[in-house]
Amino acid sequence: AQSVTQLDSQVPVFEEAPVELRCNYSSSVSVYLFWYVQYPNQGLQLLLKYLSGSTLVKGINGFEAEFNKSQTSFHLRKPSVHISDTAEYFCAVFRSNDYKLSFGAGTTVTVRA
Amino acid sequence: DTGVSQDPRHKITKRGQNVTFRCDPISEHNRLYWYRQTLGQGPEFLTYFQNEAQLEKSRLLSNRFSAERPKGSFSTLEIQRTEQGDSAMYLCASSYAPGGNEQFFGPGTRLTVL
Repeated sequence: AQSVTQLDSQVPVFEEAPVELRCNYSSSVSVYLFWYVQYPNQGLQLLLKYLSGSTLVKGINGFEAEFNKSQTSFHLRKPSVHISDTAEYFCAVFRSNDYKLSFGAGTTVTVRA
Repeated sequence: DTGVSQDPRHKITKRGQNVTFRCDPISEHNRLYWYRQTLGQGPEFLTYFQNEAQLEKSRLLSNRFSAERPKGSFSTLEIQRTEQGDSAMYLCASSYAPGGNEQFFGPGTRLTVL
């Protein structure tokens, strides 16, 4: 069963516009949440993570995400995108009773001038 | 560079051949993971090691796949009698336990089976 759902497979956006990538998860135990970015033919780079504490998490390259426990969501946002933000973005969940990451299917962001 | 490295970056092979990939984790990391990523999908867990012990294997890891981490440092993933369905990106990641929930990923090995 899918435990991490990224609600948008493709997100086209104009340069300097805001973007939001949606992620929902299911879990019966506490979780740690991550967003990774993948550029073509490269591995995954961590954008940001939520382990505990403040539900608003700031990451690299101007990205931020908000953990909403009641909605079981961890949406990623950036107020103004650049052409260089064109990439694939993955939401991932690490369950406290597990050892591995479970990934969503990814969201492809294409930034146009 | 002290990140996770993988070798080779690309491998093209014919169906039925055996292939072996290598992963060198970040030096102080005791956990090492292998994931597989097919086109348009997120990475899927294959197996993981804590030091030299292989502690979990996914059902995705058929008996044609074997992974080792003999000295608790680098790891190898071997696929025997490759099939076209094995074509994918194979990603390695490492972390430090206890307490290290962040996994650091290598650049991946892209396998194409003809």
